[in-house]
Amino acid sequence: DTGVSQDPRHKITKRGQNVTFRCDPISEHNRLYWYRQTLGQGPEFLTYFQNEAQLEKSRLLSDRFSAERPKGSFSTLEIQRTEQGDSAMYLCASSAQGAGELFFGEGSRLTVL
Amino acid sequence: EDKVVQSPLSLVVHEGDTVTLNCSYEVTNFRSLLWYKQEKKAPTFLFMLTSSGIEKKSGRLSSILDKKELFSILNITATQTGDSAVYLCAVDDSGTYKYIFGTGTRLKVLA
Repeated sequence: DTGVSQDPRHKITKRGQNVTFRCDPISEHNRLYWYRQTLGQGPEFLTYFQNEAQLEKSRLLSDRFSAERPKGSFSTLEIQRTEQGDSAMYLCASSAQGAGELFFGEGSRLTVL
Repeated sequence: EDKVVQSPLSLVVHEGDTVTLNCSYEVTNFRSLLWYKQEKKAPTFLFMLTSSGIEKKSGRLSSILDKKELFSILNITATQTGDSAVYLCAVDDSGTYKYIFGTGTRLKVLA
């Protein structure tokens, strides 16, 4: 499968714990996005990488959230000290330079108890 | 602030009906508008509309972009139960790096 892959697909954690999600984009795509989606809402932008550079971050991304893309390939999104309000689907998407279409992964669903 | 508004929020129709979904937007530097279909998983791409491509068609689905009035519509003719999904509209603002999504329209097609 050469699409965008995300891991884990589901994560249940207790409030206060740290969680990390991984995204492997389509191999030739240099642009990578993280979005968060809650029930009944559209995806909300979190952050954007072009190669290894994080070029934009949403105000939604508090200091408990951090994302990396160390070698311009896979990316990780870490949430520290999780809160119940962090429960959501975390979607990763990638696109090629100059192209408009975003290709989404299946998402990582987080439940914070 | 940039925003994308979709209407209606939800819609229930019977198989064979034609539906029209609406997307209006306010962005500073419009570059493109994208439509996605989302079932119980990741959004899948349907169409991209830009200044040079304001009308797209694929089978029973078609979409147009009105850059003057800042909206787009997605038409689905002869609907089928498999069309049941959330349809998302997103706008690419060239002044930023993000795609701004609307809330989506939840379509349910009854047999």
